[in-house]
Amino acid sequence: NAGVTQTPKFRILKIGQSMTLQCAQDMNHNYMYWYRQDPGMGLKLIYYSVGAGITDKGEVPNGYNVSRSTTEDFPLRLELAAPSQTSVYFCASSYPNRGVNTEAFFGQGTRLTVV
Amino acid sequence: KQEVTQIPAALSVPEGENLVLNCSFTDSAIYNLQWFRQDPGKGLTSLLLIQSSQREQTSGRLNASLDKSSGRSTLYIAASQPGDSATYLCAVLNSGYSTLTFGKGTMLLVSP
Repeated sequence: NAGVTQTPKFRILKIGQSMTLQCAQDMNHNYMYWYRQDPGMGLKLIYYSVGAGITDKGEVPNGYNVSRSTTEDFPLRLELAAPSQTSVYFCASSYPNRGVNTEAFFGQGTRLTVV
Repeated sequence: KQEVTQIPAALSVPEGENLVLNCSFTDSAIYNLQWFRQDPGKGLTSLLLIQSSQREQTSGRLNASLDKSSGRSTLYIAASQPGDSATYLCAVLNSGYSTLTFGKGTMLLVSP
């Protein structure tokens, strides 16, 4: 059981470049999340989704886009990379209204540097 | 908007001490509260999950309690060890608006 898989693990981007961070889960979870974590700070929510075709902004959505065409996948798109987007990105999933085992599972993170 | 606060921000103790980490949240409409551990440069490791209907959970030397009505949770670590050194994060899964909100964490250092 793979859980939540993020790719890539590391990436260096130049200012203005674009990229997509991939996230996939195999637990049939309906809720999925993208967070960023900056040094010394907690995790800040970028975007989240409560099911296929439904996404919503979190606390820090500017500069990012998401889509949720399937239950399994929740990619995060950076269109014009900026140094302020240098961070560690975590994807997570959960199934809170299933009634049992509502634990949130996290991927291993993507460390992104924009130069 | 849910806000999660963790106190203290940092804690340094000698090996063997029992210690308590605190987490408070402003909105009691939650599905659950989860405690995580994060080692430097690493991902999040789930330690304990407390459902909103539960009062506490235990795993080995760890015990977490939840008082939903007062918006508080504590993580108790018994007989601390140097290997417990890490940042501990608490997060609540909000039932009102479907998001998972984190505190900023408590950085724990256990010295031999």
